[in-house]
Amino acid sequence: SYELTQSPSVSVSPGQTARITCSGDALPKQYAFWYQQRPGQAPVLVIYKDTERPSGIPERFSASSSGTTVTLTISGVQAEDEADYYCQSADSSGTYWVFGGGTTLTVL
Amino acid sequence: EVQLVESGGGLVKPGGSLRLSCAASGFSLSTYSMNWVRQAAGKGLEWVSSISSTGDYKYYADSLKGRLTISRDNAKNSLFLHMSSLRAEDTAIYYCARMNYDLSDAFDIWGQGTMVTVSS
Repeated sequence: SYELTQSPSVSVSPGQTARITCSGDALPKQYAFWYQQRPGQAPVLVIYKDTERPSGIPERFSASSSGTTVTLTISGVQAEDEADYYCQSADSSGTYWVFGGGTTLTVL
Repeated sequence: EVQLVESGGGLVKPGGSLRLSCAASGFSLSTYSMNWVRQAAGKGLEWVSSISSTGDYKYYADSLKGRLTISRDNAKNSLFLHMSSLRAEDTAIYYCARMNYDLSDAFDIWGQGTMVTVSS
């Protein structure tokens, strides 16, 4: 079955830049999405269509795509950004959704 | 306010069945495909099932196929998930999520989830 691979954790100090990567063989063909999940809360969409930011999401959240890897970048990290981040995409057929294992962002 | 509210979770014995509901408000459910996503304690998100806006197309995660039935009642603005032959490993929070075509099928609205516990 199709898998998306994320590194388990990232730690940065406030004001620094955090980068979270997600790898998957079908990513060149399928859009990637990113979700933020704070403890005890439902996920929130922060990036769609590889690089687009929904309304209401701060500009410090951005994303890029290159081949089989997509990257979520959080510039000027704030304490409130501490959360789990999940990438999501579809398999090559576009039928089934898959989430990455999640990356825990710790703000030191 | 655009909102999804899940209900129907609870404690069920192994081998039992459960029907989860998701009530939409602030928008017309009939316009959107919908999904169920689950999350076991301390684990990541796992996509469970999708249903098209009309209910004509249904998809299930391979690991759960045969034990789930997703359905919807657009007239009542509601989504459902019937789960049978439940196992301990099905214990999780179950979220319903709206799939937005205008955002390239992103899951843009999520409910707060309903907890399902499978235990004897």
